[in-house]
Amino acid sequence: GAGVSQSPSNKVTEKGKDVELRCDPISGHTALYWYRQSLGQGLEFLIYFQGNSAPDKSGLPSDRFSAERTGGSVSTLTIQRTQQEDSAVYLCASSPSLTAGGTQYFGPGTRLLVL
Amino acid sequence: AQTVTQSQPEMSVQEAETVTLSCTYDTSENNYYLFWYKQPPSRQMILVIRQEAYKQQNATENRFSVNFQKAAKSFSLKISDSQLGDTAMYFCAFMIAGTYKYIFGTGTRLKVLA
Repeated sequence: GAGVSQSPSNKVTEKGKDVELRCDPISGHTALYWYRQSLGQGLEFLIYFQGNSAPDKSGLPSDRFSAERTGGSVSTLTIQRTQQEDSAVYLCASSPSLTAGGTQYFGPGTRLLVL
Repeated sequence: AQTVTQSQPEMSVQEAETVTLSCTYDTSENNYYLFWYKQPPSRQMILVIRQEAYKQQNATENRFSVNFQKAAKSFSLKISDSQLGDTAMYFCAFMIAGTYKYIFGTGTRLKVLA
């Protein structure tokens, strides 16, 4: 596709359920990033991938959060046993390579609401 | 800790006027990159302008320009000839050289009035 796409666009779930959020990066982009945007909090870095490997998982808020990337393309962010404080917009971005200072191209995000 | 502060939660400007959004940051690093991103209601973050900290010359992109004051750790965005389509949330961010994650401010909501 022309840009980064994310699905679903919106997700409502009940506390305690697991959710999977999907990101399709721009074709050919080897680097992929996940961010969380909470109300009034700006964006918070979660994790990045170079190819299929994630060298830096330091931003994941707890062990309920995990992410994987397969085939150097699609990535899935999984939140287990969701809590109300997980409610946020989850943004994915990609870049042609892992170049520090390079521009990252963002998707439209998934808005997650945990009831 | 690295932080970015945007002290103006909301601003408004008349169409065709000029507006400046402020941003300050805190880091002990010397090599880094600075960015302004725009987030319209569609939620998609769009890069507005980028500045390398080692460059003294202020970056410009058409109607958008920055005032980068490295010693003061300030990176303000000036929007000239504001247009209705500029209405959005604006985020200031920086990235330490050699790392791959943005550190964002909390954003300034800009409304351009007709």
